Amino acid sequence: DGGITQSPKYLFRKEGQNVTLSCEQNLNHDAMYWYRQDPGQGLRLIYYSQIVNDFQKGDIAEGYSVSREKKESFPLTVTSAQKNPTAFYLCASSSGTSAYNEQFFGPGTRLTVL
Amino acid sequence: KNEVEQSPQNLTAQEGEFITINCSYSVGISALHWLQQHPGGGIVSLFMLSSGKKKHGRLIATINIQEKHSSLHITASHPRDSAVYICALSQGNLIFGKGTKLSVKP
Repeated sequence: DGGITQSPKYLFRKEGQNVTLSCEQNLNHDAMYWYRQDPGQGLRLIYYSQIVNDFQKGDIAEGYSVSREKKESFPLTVTSAQKNPTAFYLCASSSGTSAYNEQFFGPGTRLTVL
Repeated sequence: KNEVEQSPQNLTAQEGEFITINCSYSVGISALHWLQQHPGGGIVSLFMLSSGKKKHGRLIATINIQEKHSSLHITASHPRDSAVYICALSQGNLIFGKGTKLSVKP
C-alpha cells in the first residue's frame, strides 16, 4: 500500500518549544516537499528536497528546518523562531521536480501553539 | 502578487447541478494542476493539463494557454463532491490558488 504518512494528525505545543513533524513515503520518490496552509490562503512552500542529503528553501523557510538523511523521510522542525507557527502542514512527494510530475500529498498535521 | 486567481471563492449548489470553477493566471506555465482537498485536509490530484481538455468520470478540465485560463467542470454534482478545489500552476514548483469551497446540497 503505497503512500505518504504524516504524524501526528494534531499537535499542540507551548510557545517557545521546538517541534518536529514527521513525513514518510514509500513511493520511492526522489523529491519531497513541505507546505503550510493558513485559512483563506493558498499553500505556501516551506522547503523541498530533490534528492537525499540535499534540500532548498522555499518561499517561507524562516523559522523552519529540515533534514533528508533517508529517501523515505523528510522531517520538518518548527523552531521557536517561527513567529506564527499555528497552521496546517502538508507534506508531498513526487518522482521528479519537472513541471509535469504529479505531487502526492500526505494527510497533513494541524499544529496549534498554546 | 496574485499570479493565480480562482473564482468563485465559495459555491453552493443543489445536487445534480452543473458546476464550473475558474482559474486565471498571469505567468507562463508548463502545466496546470487541479487538486481536491477534502474536509479532513487531505489533498488528491485530479488533473494535470498542459493543453486542451481532460475528462475523468463526471469531472472535466479545460485549459486555454493563450488566454491563461482553466476551468474545472463537474456534471451531475453530488454531495460527496463537497470539497475545496485548488488550481496550481507548475513551473517546476507549484504556485497554488486560494481554492474554491464547493458545497453541494442534497
